[in-house]
Amino acid sequence: SQTIHQWPATLVQPVGSPLSLECTVEGTSNPNLYWYRQAAGRGLQLLFYSVGIGQISSEVPQNLSASRPQDRQFILSSKKLLLSDSGFYLCAWSRTSYAGELFFGEGSRLTVL
Amino acid sequence: TQLLEQSPQFLSIQEGENLTVYCNSSSVFSSLQWYRQEPGEGPVLLVTVVTGGEVKKLKRLTFQFGDARKDSSLHITAAQPGDTGLYLCAGARGGSYIPTFGRGTSLIVHP
Repeated sequence: SQTIHQWPATLVQPVGSPLSLECTVEGTSNPNLYWYRQAAGRGLQLLFYSVGIGQISSEVPQNLSASRPQDRQFILSSKKLLLSDSGFYLCAWSRTSYAGELFFGEGSRLTVL
Repeated sequence: TQLLEQSPQFLSIQEGENLTVYCNSSSVFSSLQWYRQEPGEGPVLLVTVVTGGEVKKLKRLTFQFGDARKDSSLHITAAQPGDTGLYLCAGARGGSYIPTFGRGTSLIVHP
């Protein structure tokens, strides 16, 4: 069966510090991968998605970047965090041929102080 | 503008009541998904509907896809406290890798 894990679960960082959130998927190959941010328990804002190694599409220009160094690994980064980067970050995957169904990780709560 | 409009945004009911949550759009979707999310966790996929007019049942939950594939509803019969959570609908349009999410309906079921 397929599994997805993201870490760390909780992160408290000062303004201006770097960020790295990691996500890995097991049990499938060549998945589509996504990073979302969720504010205040509401809807999901798509940040990045990837359809293959090294292929990253950004939906919202901002202080964040993403990379996909391996087929089942997706990393969200920032060189200098802003207060507005605080939020709940979710990694998700979908099957290559069917983007409709997403399977989410446990989420990472980021607080920037 | 939000591509998928969910209503109501908030719902607070007593155990045993019935409720319906709506997900509406002016766009046609090739498929539509419903997710439930509990605080501090990732959303969990409940169901996918694909065919216009399709009805799917998951225990006390009934999902319906509109005939024109532009809207969907989720009906919960005899709600229980365990149904508490954020319900999200999401739609995928043909040829797109990116599902569009509604803003969610936050449901609280009081014992």
